[in-house]
Amino acid sequence: DAKTTQPPSMDCAEGRAANLPCNHSTISGNEYVYWYRQIHSQGPQYIIHGLKNNETNEMASLIITEDRKSSTLILPHATLRDTAVYYCIVRVLNFGNEKLTFGTGTRLTIIP
Amino acid sequence: DSGVTQTPKHLITATGQRVTLRCSPRSGDLSVYWYQQSLDQGLQFLIQYYNGEERAKGNILERFSAQQFPDLHSELNLSSLELGDSALYFCASSVGQGREAFFGQGTRLTVV
Repeated sequence: DAKTTQPPSMDCAEGRAANLPCNHSTISGNEYVYWYRQIHSQGPQYIIHGLKNNETNEMASLIITEDRKSSTLILPHATLRDTAVYYCIVRVLNFGNEKLTFGTGTRLTIIP
Repeated sequence: DSGVTQTPKHLITATGQRVTLRCSPRSGDLSVYWYQQSLDQGLQFLIQYYNGEERAKGNILERFSAQQFPDLHSELNLSSLELGDSALYFCASSVGQGREAFFGQGTRLTVV
């Protein structure tokens, strides 16, 4: 699986959009970008994933650059409950190779 | 609530002992994964089962073993416990084929 690089920490004001970057310059054509978050030692929570098109769901939006070497997770209106460690994971989506390789992630702190 | 149930939530035991952690996956999910999270190691993949069969193995110690039963619940057995085995142990499940995984709330194991 391709390696990812994320800033170790970020702050965002409550109510503003939180934009979390992820660099995956060695991504290959069949690798997806996944985002998970972990709120204070709870189990990681799936947020969103995508291949090359931008994706949106009820939690967040995922913007993937055209060359797929980087992506941004957007939380449109951050709340205090969004304070967590956010993990960007790149992996092939195939049967039998489904493990998630977590890096160190970005610790996002939402400021009141 | 992810739908993945782990028991017990907390476990305190002595060095040299053996413990069993239990995981009930979401209804319909065939894949079960086990992860270990310690303070200095982050989230580490241990092992995956799919419909009762071992599918992938990570950095799982020989003192640890797991199995998935016909009703799809899984157990992680940890034996000859050492102080360094103290960690959060997470179970996750998915429908398989690389689909997103849903994590339980974890079992916090403390070895004294």
